[in-house]
Amino acid sequence: AQSVTQLDSHVSVSEGTPVLLRCNYSSSYSPSLFWYVQHPNKGLQLLLKYTSAATLVKGINGFEAEFKKSETSFHLTKPSAHMSDAAEYFCVVRVNSGYSTLTFGKGTMLLVSP
Amino acid sequence: NAGVMQNPRHLVRRRGQEARLRCSPMKGHSHVYWYRQLPEEGLKFMVYLQKENIIDESGMPKERFSAEFPKEGPSILRIQQVVRGDSAAYFCASSPGQDPSYGYTFGSGTRLTVV
Repeated sequence: AQSVTQLDSHVSVSEGTPVLLRCNYSSSYSPSLFWYVQHPNKGLQLLLKYTSAATLVKGINGFEAEFKKSETSFHLTKPSAHMSDAAEYFCVVRVNSGYSTLTFGKGTMLLVSP
Repeated sequence: NAGVMQNPRHLVRRRGQEARLRCSPMKGHSHVYWYRQLPEEGLKFMVYLQKENIIDESGMPKERFSAEFPKEGPSILRIQQVVRGDSAAYFCASSPGQDPSYGYTFGSGTRLTVV
C-alpha cells in the first residue's frame, strides 16, 4: 500500500521569498515520487520526479525536491517565488514493484502576494 | 507531438442523462488512466486500460460507470444516468509503459456539471 500526506492545505508567501511545500509518503516498496502543478482550470503539469537516482531532483521553473528516505519526505522548494507560481501542487507516489498507479496527495494551494 | 487530448473541456448534463468523455493518449502511449477530482480533493484513481483491455478498475463505482479503450480511436469514460454527485473534473493520463519511472502525461480534463 502507498499513501501521501501533504502537510499544508495552503501556503502563503511573498514574491521573492522562498517556497517550501511539504510532503510525506508511505510505501511498502521503493517508491517513485513526483510533484505536479495545476493552475486554475488547467490540467496537471509534471514539475519533477524522483526515480531512485540522485536524491536531489531539479525540475522546471526553478523548483527542486529532495528525497529523504529516513524521514520518508519529498519536500518541494524554490529559492524565490514568482507570481506565476500561484497554483495547486500535488505530491504523488508510485511504488516500484510490478504494476501500480499513481497515488495523489490532497494538494497544497500556493498563494503568492506582491 | 500533441499531448493528451480530452474532449469536451466542459460538459453539462441533466440528471439521468448519459455523459461520454473522450481521451486520446499521446502518440506512442498505449496505457491510459482515468482519474476523478472532486472539489477540495486530490485526484482519485478510477481505471487503468491498455488497448482493448481493462487492467484495473478498482476505483470505478460499481454501477453506471464504464470505460473502454478500443483498438482504434480514443478511450471513452461513460457515465450513465448521471447524478449531482458525479459533478467533478475527470482527467485522463497516458504513459508509454509500466516502468514506475514513467511520469504520466495528463490531459486538461473534462469538467462535468450535472444540473
